[in-house]
Amino acid sequence: EVELLESGGGLLQPGGSLRLSCAASGFTFKNYAMSWVRQAPGKGLEWVSVTVNNGRTTSYADSVKGRFTVFRDNFRNTLYLQVNSLRVGDTAVYYCAREFYGVFDIWGRGTLVTVSS
Amino acid sequence: EIVLTQSPGTLSLSPGGRATLSCRASQSVSGSSLAWYQHKPGQAPRLLIYGAFSRATGIPDRFSGSGSGTDFTLTISSLDPEDFAVYYCQHFGNSLWTFGQGTKVEVK
Repeated sequence: EVELLESGGGLLQPGGSLRLSCAASGFTFKNYAMSWVRQAPGKGLEWVSVTVNNGRTTSYADSVKGRFTVFRDNFRNTLYLQVNSLRVGDTAVYYCAREFYGVFDIWGRGTLVTVSS
Repeated sequence: EIVLTQSPGTLSLSPGGRATLSCRASQSVSGSSLAWYQHKPGQAPRLLIYGAFSRATGIPDRFSGSGSGTDFTLTISSLDPEDFAVYYCQHFGNSLWTFGQGTKVEVK
């Protein structure tokens, strides 16, 4: 079964850092670009970042550029998001998603990041 | 950057009813770059439609997509109780992805 499982969320203070993980199974991970998408409480979906299949190219939403870093380990079939300089506005459920020709065809259930003082 | 505006914000319908959801782009986009998702609380979002009108694997044929240019539509021909959820349109272009703000389909 194709599956994505996020982990690593938690409660942090503003300015803190965290590393989110997304474990992939059931498909050939190294063949796909992967993205992070988030949903703030009561808000809609917001794309955050993408990494191509080999990890050599990445892209970010302006709202996280310079603070978040996406990377992957194709041997461990795992996607990561390093989040630094956290803000209250970064509070959200973070989803990883498999990207295929511009659409997100497989999603995880998400991990909650709460930033509060 | 393309901005997607969905309407209405909330659609109140009864099971068996027909749902028509709109997604308007701030400028003309290729239909091949337009998708629709269903999202229920506590669950993973689910891809419904890609390329404006192609159903994803396993999606029932009561879901259909249409449109071109700046105006796109998701239609649910006869609402099943499991279809009450939030629906998002999404565009991809120039290594950027944008979502509409969502339409909630709720039980009347």
